[in-house]
Amino acid sequence: DAGVIQSPRHEVTEMGQEVTLRCKPISGHDYLFWYRQTMMRGLELLIYFNNNVPIDDSGMPEDRFSAKMPNASFSTLKIQPSEPRDSAVYFCASSARTGFAYGYTFGSGTRLTVV
Amino acid sequence: AQSVTQLGSHVSVSEGALVLLRCNYSSSVPPYLFWYVQYPNQGLQLLLKYTSAATLVKGINGFEAEFKKSETSFHLTKPSAHMSDAAEYFCAAGSQGNLIFGKGTKLSVKP
Repeated sequence: DAGVIQSPRHEVTEMGQEVTLRCKPISGHDYLFWYRQTMMRGLELLIYFNNNVPIDDSGMPEDRFSAKMPNASFSTLKIQPSEPRDSAVYFCASSARTGFAYGYTFGSGTRLTVV
Repeated sequence: AQSVTQLGSHVSVSEGALVLLRCNYSSSVPPYLFWYVQYPNQGLQLLLKYTSAATLVKGINGFEAEFKKSETSFHLTKPSAHMSDAAEYFCAAGSQGNLIFGKGTKLSVKP
């Protein structure tokens, strides 16, 4: 199994531009999570899906952020327009069944820099 | 709401010394508990997990953690540190839907 695959690994963009982060979960995993990691705030859950349906998006910072999961093998996190304070490492994770009981498998992350 | 506290954002030990990373959770109901490790520029990897089967949990790379309900703790230990253990370690708890992570503890290992 190739694990959770995220792309791109690094993204540098100018303020105001649209940014799209991509994630391919492990095949057969029902849950998909998007996290953001910063020095100041640590790991924050942004949103998670179960069977492609968004379950909890209360962690999405504001309307500039949106996430979709059109099918079981692909999810996107979009920021439009991007701002410097969005600079962080964004992780995608997936899990089988009730995720917290089984632990999550994380991708390698996307390091986003907004200048 | 569930919360996880990791005491010490940075711990430094000598190679061969005991590693002790502290984690306390807040919950009246024992949650599922996890330790993850993050090496530089990588994602988080699961070290071990507690799911009520046994209070002493053994994980990968010689790490283990003991669940103590009376202390609401789940400290991570390793008898003898190795240089390759240098990384950031995250404690996490899940009880009603998703995992809540602690702020992380960066472990440095001195030769």
